[in-house]
Amino acid sequence: ETGVTQTPRHLVMGMTNKKSLKCEQHLGHNAMYWYKQSAKKPLELMFVYSLEERVENNSVPSRFSPECPNSSHLFLHLHTLQPEDSALYLCASSQIGDYNNEQFFGPGTRLTVL
Amino acid sequence: AQKITQTQPGMFVQEKEAVTLDCTYDTSDPSYGLFWYKQPSSGEMIFLIYQGSYDQQNATEGRYSLNFQKARKSANLVISASQLGDSAMYFCAMGMNSGYSTLTFGKGTMLLVSP
Repeated sequence: ETGVTQTPRHLVMGMTNKKSLKCEQHLGHNAMYWYKQSAKKPLELMFVYSLEERVENNSVPSRFSPECPNSSHLFLHLHTLQPEDSALYLCASSQIGDYNNEQFFGPGTRLTVL
Repeated sequence: AQKITQTQPGMFVQEKEAVTLDCTYDTSDPSYGLFWYKQPSSGEMIFLIYQGSYDQQNATEGRYSLNFQKARKSANLVISASQLGDSAMYFCAMGMNSGYSTLTFGKGTMLLVSP
């Protein structure tokens, strides 16, 4: 595996379900990010982990719970979601100190909440 | 706070022609970076080109070039010799140049390349 991978690629869940999105980066980076992309809206940053510590949480509802067990893995735990949470969830990673702070993105998980 | 504005919801171009996608930004930070990403229908965000706020020359990467006009706070993407595979959403983004970088994205421009 190379780059940033995300599983599952597609997820359909009911409002009472609990599920988790997984992201893995194979680039040796030390920062990881979760973004939400809703239809016709710009990407919204949800969470940032820098050196495995959460450094930003952009007013995200508590039904979204991130976890970063090590520098290569990032999870987004989902619980009692709403239909408006249906979106593409993108994970990204970067190396702090790189000259341009470029973020490398995974292919995303397309989530549908029924 | 940073803000990115992309005023073109959609653009059409014929194959082999050049096209310019507009991007203006707003920030009070003196040190920042500007990025362009391509998002095909598969969903993955693909990095295209980067311009640092202190870079003296406009960035170029193959068929992509960035027309950086700092005084006007614009960072337009120029794609030369368009190809059918260039059809996708294009996002302009801005990030800071220190520490971890949270990117602020524009709403994107859908580019359609016709034969």
